[in-house]
Amino acid sequence: AQTVTQSQPEMSVQEAETVTLSCTYDTSESDYYLFWYKQPPSRQMILVIRQEAYKQQNATENRFSVNFQKAAKSFSLKISDSQLGDAAMYFCAYYALGNEKLTFGTGTRLTIIP
Amino acid sequence: DTAVSQTPKYLVTQMGNDKSIKCEQNLGHDTMYWYKQDSKKFLKIMFSYNNKELIINETVPNRFSPKSPDKAHLNLHINSLELGDSAVYFCASSQGRLAGVGETQYFGPGTRLLVL
Repeated sequence: AQTVTQSQPEMSVQEAETVTLSCTYDTSESDYYLFWYKQPPSRQMILVIRQEAYKQQNATENRFSVNFQKAAKSFSLKISDSQLGDAAMYFCAYYALGNEKLTFGTGTRLTIIP
Repeated sequence: DTAVSQTPKYLVTQMGNDKSIKCEQNLGHDTMYWYKQDSKKFLKIMFSYNNKELIINETVPNRFSPKSPDKAHLNLHINSLELGDSAVYFCASSQGRLAGVGETQYFGPGTRLLVL
């Protein structure tokens, strides 16, 4: 069974600094997709970034980038120039091609210190 | 121009009641999902429909019954509500089935259900 582990229940960062959130996953599949979702206090789940496992290049979206290490089964999210609006729960998620289900990690609560 | 909408946003009810949560997406997607997020924020799939056909039915009590009148709507009906049903329920949609290539799910704002 696929599992997604986020080992940091809580993280905090000074505004304008950089923070990295960790995610590891367990799979025997070779073709899969990884996601980071953000859940602010409004509770909405917002897609932050997505990575296809077959792509070696790390995905980036403005201040958000990932460090995808396929051999290590690691998928960390880096947030540069942290802003107050980045405060939220961040969920790592995975699905394998051919699998109907998106599996989520337990989340990391990110606090931004002004 | 809301993409995935849910009603109601909040639902407070007594044990034993029957309630429904509605979900609609205007993205033209073929697949819709229901997730439950418990008090520890753990998010777990409950059901998935593709073009009105049930494709995922996780180990969920049969008091929960999804209904998809058309591919833009997926409603969740819950009978005989129990205290343990208190949670946030999220609807989501994707263009095709996740089994396909390159799909991404888009989530609704969630419905907070509190059973007293």
